[in-house]
Amino acid sequence: GQNIDQPTEMTATEGAIVQINCTYQTSGFNGLFWYQQHAGEAPTFLSYNVLDGLEEKGRFSSFLSRSKGYSYLLLKELQMKDSASYLCAVMDSNYQLIWGAGTKLIIKP
Amino acid sequence: DAMVIQNPRYQVTQFGKPVTLSCSQTLNHNVMYWYQQKSSQAPKLLFHYYDKDFNNEADTPDNFQSRRPNTSFCFLDIRSPGLGDAAMYLCATSRDQGGGPVDTQYFGPGTRLTVL
Repeated sequence: GQNIDQPTEMTATEGAIVQINCTYQTSGFNGLFWYQQHAGEAPTFLSYNVLDGLEEKGRFSSFLSRSKGYSYLLLKELQMKDSASYLCAVMDSNYQLIWGAGTKLIIKP
Repeated sequence: DAMVIQNPRYQVTQFGKPVTLSCSQTLNHNVMYWYQQKSSQAPKLLFHYYDKDFNNEADTPDNFQSRRPNTSFCFLDIRSPGLGDAAMYLCATSRDQGGGPVDTQYFGPGTRLTVL
């Protein structure tokens, strides 16, 4: 079957750096997406990776290793507003998005 | 601003009373999706349309139906809501479905459905 694994919850301190991991097993691979979702709101797009390596976008970076079926989202200089769930989603060979359950990130002052 | 709009944001219905949720988009995207998301769970795809081609997920209950009368609008009909259908319903759009960043899905704000 198809599976996306990410930690359920993480805690970090304001101003620090946090890495949220995602491992996947899917039928084919057409890219990996990271979304941010604040409580009670819709997911918003953060990043897309289809080639191995690191993509940097301001305070957020996303890394992909296709051979390992692994990605991470790196958040630097954490702010209180970064408290949210972060969802990893992989597009399979049928161009369907397979979603992880999300990692709830709690930021403490 | 181009966007995905969902109405209403909050919907309360009674057990068994039909309800319709609506979604509109100004992005001119070909693909529209309906997801169901329960608390702390991954979004679950119910249907998607590629243009007018309707694609039903195998495990979507018959209680859920959808209509896309034109490119901009899509509706989700729940014929007889049960208590287990209480959830956030998310509409999303993407420009294409052929692989690559054009497949990025953009979400509306969601409709939170409560079933009494």
